[in-house]
Amino acid sequence: EAGVAQSPRYKIIEKRQSVAFWCNPISGHATLYWYQQILGQGPKLLIQFQNNGVVDDSQLPKDRFSAERLKGVDSTLKIQPAKLEDSAVYLCASSFLSGSSYEQYFGPGTRLTVT
Amino acid sequence: GNSVTQMEGPVTLSEEAFLTINCTYTATGYPSLFWYVQYPGEGLQLLLKATKADDKGSNKGFEATYRKETTSFHLEKGSVQVSDSAVYFCALSDLSNQGGKLIFGQGTELSVKP
Repeated sequence: EAGVAQSPRYKIIEKRQSVAFWCNPISGHATLYWYQQILGQGPKLLIQFQNNGVVDDSQLPKDRFSAERLKGVDSTLKIQPAKLEDSAVYLCASSFLSGSSYEQYFGPGTRLTVT
Repeated sequence: GNSVTQMEGPVTLSEEAFLTINCTYTATGYPSLFWYVQYPGEGLQLLLKATKADDKGSNKGFEATYRKETTSFHLEKGSVQVSDSAVYFCALSDLSNQGGKLIFGQGTELSVKP
C-alpha cells in the first residue's frame, strides 16, 4: 500500500514570498490533516478535512495560510506571504477509523526555510 | 484544554539498557493515547496505541500502559538497540474533534550508543 505522498521535500524562500505544498493521502482515507512542526516541538494541527469539507481550522493563521482539498483526495496548503516564523516542517497525514480510534499515517513532510 | 507533557531529552543510553520515557496528559474524557517515532530524515510512524484505561499497547519490543489514575502513558523497552535512536512523541486524540485530531507532546530524543 502506498503511503502519504508530499512534495516538495524541501523549500527555501524569502520572506514575503508565497509557497505551496501538495499532499496525496492514502487511497480511501477520508480524513486529511496538515500539521506544522517547528524545530524542537511536537506537531500542531493547522487544518483537518473530512472528504472535501473543513472539520477544524481553528489554529490556521487565515490571514496568510489557506488550504483546499478538491474532490476529497489531494490537498494543497499555501502560505502567502511567508514570515520568518513559518520556517518549519509541514506534515500531511491521513487516517481511517480503526475500532474506536483514528489511526493517522504521516507523509515525509516538507521542510520550509524562510530567509 | 487538552495537553501532553513528555520528559525532556535528549536521553542517551548504552545498547541493551532499559528505556523509560515519561508521558502524562490532561484531557476531558478518555482519549486514545499514542506513541509515534520519528527516525532521522523520516516522517512520523505510529509505534503503538491504547484506546482505554489499563490497555497495554506494544510493538517492536516497546510497551506502554494507559493509566487513568495517574493520567500517564509511559513508554518502555527492556533492551534498546542503536537502531532505536530517534525522536519519540506521545500524543492523544482530541475527543472534541470529529476525526481524531492529535495533540502531541514536545518529543523526546533518544540516542543509543554501541
